[in-house]
Amino acid sequence: AQSVTQPDIHITVSEGASLELRCNYSYGATPYLFWYVQSPGQGLQLLLKYFSGDTLVQGIKGFEAEFKRSQSSFNLRKPSVHWSDAAEYFCAVGALADDKIIFGKGTRLHILP
Amino acid sequence: GAVVSQHPSWVICKSGTSVKIECRSLDFQATTMFWYRQFPKQSLMLMATSNEGSKATYEQGVEKDKFLINHASLTLSTLTVTSAHPEDSSFYICSARGPILDIQYFGAGTRLSVL
Repeated sequence: AQSVTQPDIHITVSEGASLELRCNYSYGATPYLFWYVQSPGQGLQLLLKYFSGDTLVQGIKGFEAEFKRSQSSFNLRKPSVHWSDAAEYFCAVGALADDKIIFGKGTRLHILP
Repeated sequence: GAVVSQHPSWVICKSGTSVKIECRSLDFQATTMFWYRQFPKQSLMLMATSNEGSKATYEQGVEKDKFLINHASLTLSTLTVTSAHPEDSSFYICSARGPILDIQYFGAGTRLSVL
C-alpha cells in the first residue's frame, strides 16, 4: 500500500540549531517526493520537490532534502533554524501517472528562543 | 509563481444551510483541481479530484451528494457543502495542478464552522 510516514509528531529545537525532519515512504512506482510547510490556519507552501536526478535537492527558505532510495527516505534538513520556521511540515509522495498526492501526518516544529 | 486563491477564508453557517467555497487559479489554467479536508492537527485527506468540464472523481467514503464539486472553467472550481451539519466543520483546502507537471499549488484554505 502507498503510504508516507513521518515518525515525529512534534520536534523542538533551539533557534540557530540544525534541523532534520524524517520521512519514509512506501510506493510501488518511482516516486515523486515533496515537502510542504503549513503555518497555522494557512494553506500549504511547497518547500522543495524531487522528481529525478541529483538526490540532494535544494528548496526555499534554506531547506534541503535528500532522497535515499535504499532507505525509502526523503528527510528534510536545515542547518540553522529561525523562529519563523515554526510550523507544520508535511512530506508527500505522488507519481507522474497519478495526480494524487499522499500526505504524511505532519511534524509540528517548535522553536525555542 | 502560480497562485491559487480560495474564498472565503472563514465561514460560519447554521446547520442545514449550504455553503459554497471557491478555488481560483489566478495566473495559470488548471485542468485539474483537488479538494482536501483537514481535521485539527491531522493531515490532509483528499476528498475529490476535479477536472474541467467533467464530473469530479470522489475518494472512497466521500458523499458526492453532500460535497458538490463543479469545475466549470479552467480557472475556477467550487465545492458546495449541502445541508451542512456540525460534523462537516473542518478546514477545506483546494489545490490546482500547476503549469509545471505534477506540482500542486494550494489555496490558503477555508475554515467552515457549522453551528
